[in-house]
Amino acid sequence: GESVGLHLPTLSVQEGDNSIINCAYSNSASDYFIWYKQESGKGPQFIIDIRSNMDKRQGQRVTVLLNKTVKHLSLQIAATQPGDSAVYFCAEGDRDSGYALNFGKGTSLLVTP
Amino acid sequence: DTEVTQTPKHLVMGMTNKKSLKCEQHMGHRAMYWYKQKAKKPPELMFVYSYEKLSINESVPSRFSPECPNSSLLNLHLHALQPEDSALYLCASSQGAQPKVAYEQYFGPGTRLTVT
Repeated sequence: GESVGLHLPTLSVQEGDNSIINCAYSNSASDYFIWYKQESGKGPQFIIDIRSNMDKRQGQRVTVLLNKTVKHLSLQIAATQPGDSAVYFCAEGDRDSGYALNFGKGTSLLVTP
Repeated sequence: DTEVTQTPKHLVMGMTNKKSLKCEQHMGHRAMYWYKQKAKKPPELMFVYSYEKLSINESVPSRFSPECPNSSLLNLHLHALQPEDSALYLCASSQGAQPKVAYEQYFGPGTRLTVT
């Protein structure tokens, strides 16, 4: 089937820097995208979502950008903190599948002091 | 209350055992999900319930049997599992009030299952 994947499996950033996590998707019918953070031993935690009628959405310290032309999604974290260290997953859904989420491989973010 | 709870947190079972995983939410969500997650892998969808009816079964073996007794509860009954079924089993819920409309899914902490 079609897949959602990430460009970088691991990302190491210094505390205070901005982080950018990228995600590529291949299903042209996808119209809903969501980012999750998963810390060790815990379930995925919702961060932010975006629908295909938008190209940018901002939350607290996070911004999601959607480029439908190249099927690319990114998560920007401002002023990265040690507590941001986790695995980040993008996921996508489409109307025809009832928005059952298809997850990407995940990026491990490590924030160093 | 914005929490999805799962019990037990850990479960060790033999291949001949029968056990059940439980999930509960009190957010009034009408859609509930079971996912399986192997180590260092993304969650994989197993089942979706919408308004207490099974709407998606992702070709899951019959040794996994889901049940949705009411809108707040979701069970996963396990029987004759294999060691390769060892994984983190995650429950999620979403508002799911309207079909063909996307809503964010909220996950529980998972049950860490080990099959011996």
